[in-house]
Amino acid sequence: EAGVTQSPTHLIKTRGQQATLRCSPISGHTSVYWYQQALGLGLQFLLWYDEGEERNRGNFPPRFSGRQFPNYSSELNVNALELEDSALYLCASRLLAGIYNEQFFGPGTRLTVL
Amino acid sequence: QKEVEQDPGPLSVPEGAIVSLNCTYSNSAFQYFMWYRQYSRKGPELLMYTYSSGNKEDGRFTAQVDKSSKYISLFIRDSQPSDSATYLCAMSETGANNLFFGTGTRLTVIP
Repeated sequence: EAGVTQSPTHLIKTRGQQATLRCSPISGHTSVYWYQQALGLGLQFLLWYDEGEERNRGNFPPRFSGRQFPNYSSELNVNALELEDSALYLCASRLLAGIYNEQFFGPGTRLTVL
Repeated sequence: QKEVEQDPGPLSVPEGAIVSLNCTYSNSAFQYFMWYRQYSRKGPELLMYTYSSGNKEDGRFTAQVDKSSKYISLFIRDSQPSDSATYLCAMSETGANNLFFGTGTRLTVIP
C-alpha cells in the first residue's frame, strides 16, 4: 500500500512570492493534516481537511491556506512568503473512522525562503 | 505553558544502552499517547501508541503513561545505531482530531 506522498521535495522561493505544496493521502483516508516543522519548534498544526472541507486551522495567519480535492488530495498555499516561513512542511492522512488519532506522515516538502 | 513539553536533547548513548525518553503535559483530558520516530530528512513514523494509563511493550520498545503525574516515557532496550533519530511524543483527547506534539528529542546511538 502506497504511503502519503508529497511534492515537491524541495522548494526555493524569495520573499513575497507564493508557494504551493501538494499532498496525496493513503488510499481510503479522507482526512489530511498539514504541519509546519521549523527548527527547534516541533510540529505546529496548520490545517485539517476532511471530505473536502476545512475543519480546523492552527494559529497561523490567513496567508496560509489550502484546499482538498474530490480525490482527497490536498494543496497548501502560502502567500506573501516571509523568511520565517522556511521550514519542513509535513502532510499527514488519517482514516477518520479510526478509533484513535493515528496520523500517517509523508516525507515533507522543505521550503526555503530567501 | 506549552501543552506538551519534551527535552530536546541531544542525547548520545553507547550501543546496547537503555534509553529513556520523556514528555510531560498539562491537559488532563489527553487520553491517547503516541511516540513517533523521525529519521533525518524523513517524515515522522508512528512507533507506538497507548490509551490512558499503563505500559505497552513492542520488542525493544516500552511505552509508559502515568496520567496522575501527566508524564509519559519511551524506553528503548539494547539500543542500536539504527535507533538514531528524533523521537516525538504526541497526544490527543478522546474523539479529538488534533494531535499535540512535543518538540522531539534527538537521539544518537554510538557504535
